[in-house]
Amino acid sequence: DTGVSQNPRHKITKRGQNVTFRCDPISEHNRLYWYRQTLGQGPEFLTYFQNEAQLEKSRLLSDRFSAERPKGSFSTLEIQRTEQGDSAMYLCASSLGQGSFTNEKLFFGSGTQLSVL
Amino acid sequence: AQKITQTQPGMFVQEKEAVTLDCTYDTSDPSYGLFWYKQPSSGEMIFLIYQGSYDQQNATEGRYSLNFQKARKSANLVISASQLGDSAMYFCAMREGAVIGNEKLTFGTGTRLTIIP
Repeated sequence: DTGVSQNPRHKITKRGQNVTFRCDPISEHNRLYWYRQTLGQGPEFLTYFQNEAQLEKSRLLSDRFSAERPKGSFSTLEIQRTEQGDSAMYLCASSLGQGSFTNEKLFFGSGTQLSVL
Repeated sequence: AQKITQTQPGMFVQEKEAVTLDCTYDTSDPSYGLFWYKQPSSGEMIFLIYQGSYDQQNATEGRYSLNFQKARKSANLVISASQLGDSAMYFCAMREGAVIGNEKLTFGTGTRLTIIP
């Protein structure tokens, strides 16, 4: 068990550029989540996958954001035409995905810190 | 409406003392789960403890215990015998029921705990 891995750890980009982040979940985990965390706030839900299917998207996920999880393994989060307001920590989490959601523990990666200049 | 409220932005505690971090929540769903996560400066969210709404006993995990007062809708985290390594941000989170659309974990704004030697 190598934990949830996210790359890159830090990304600095200029406004208007596209960026892509990658998340490798724990290998046997079926569910994968993306969260965004701004300074002084708790993480906010962005989207969620059950295997390769994207089942829920937050209103925070504008049409400039797209997430994929091909083959139900790793996931990518792309932000097109970045804006300064996109600057945040982007956290990925995974969970086993068996049975009830209520008590399901999420395992988080260390996040990708995005700075848009 | 805020679903998770953490009213202590920061706390300073002497090493080896016990500390209580406050969390109140708001839900009309009879089935829900409450979680506490620790976020050190490295950024990774680390699961600490879970309490289900139907659990009769307060949850305990080593030095962590959850003081669950259902009628008051509070789920305070108690850390006994604090250590320097406990210095971090602490987040309370909730997931409501097992209904599709409730898969997301909702976080509070966190409490920054600093342990003083």
